[in-house]
Amino acid sequence: SQQGEEDPQALSIQEGENATMNCSYKTSINNLQWYRQNSGRGLVHLILIRSNEREKHSGRLRVTLDTSKKSSSLLITASRAADTASYFCATDVISDTGRRALTFGSGTRLQVQP
Amino acid sequence: DGGITQSPKYLFRKEGQNVTLSCEQNLNHDAMYWYRQDPGQGLRLIYYSQIVNDFQKGDIAEGYSVSREKKESFPLTVTSAQKNPTAFYLCASSRSDYSNQPQHFGDGTRLSIL
Repeated sequence: SQQGEEDPQALSIQEGENATMNCSYKTSINNLQWYRQNSGRGLVHLILIRSNEREKHSGRLRVTLDTSKKSSSLLITASRAADTASYFCATDVISDTGRRALTFGSGTRLQVQP
Repeated sequence: DGGITQSPKYLFRKEGQNVTLSCEQNLNHDAMYWYRQDPGQGLRLIYYSQIVNDFQKGDIAEGYSVSREKKESFPLTVTSAQKNPTAFYLCASSRSDYSNQPQHFGDGTRLSIL
């Protein structure tokens, strides 16, 4: 299975509500990144949190990292219809060749109802 | 504006045909990547390049080939050996190959079988 797994797979909320997505991973990491993907488009980098950080903010986004539980969460506050997208976490893992590479989870599909 | 351009947006492949997907970046990034995304799934790494004239296989390289003759360009060829090529292909770049670098993505090429 993949290194990063998002939960839930799909989330539907009303505009103005908060949306929380979770990511769990298996092995130790140096950093964790969150990306957003609008339907049929490429991914857009949202935020990077390092393993020695516990929380990071960017506008309406709040990311937490708990390395003891090997998990991260992405909180979007006061959601808008334009936040409708898939959200992916990406963790750095050591490949068979000894190289650290980003590995993406399968994503959370967020639907914000106007 | 700096960014990554992928072309074409849609591509159709006939049986036994090789097709080439274009990826160009003007971000002056050293590292470039090709990912495959299947419906409802995360991204899987096909090939990556850390520098001009060098590239390495990712997790699912079989049936694909790449070249990196220029810093700006990283084309992907889907060969006839790839028996299940229908997918969304995403190209990305980053300043370096270190996993703490955000990746910048193009808007993808959707490949289908005729």
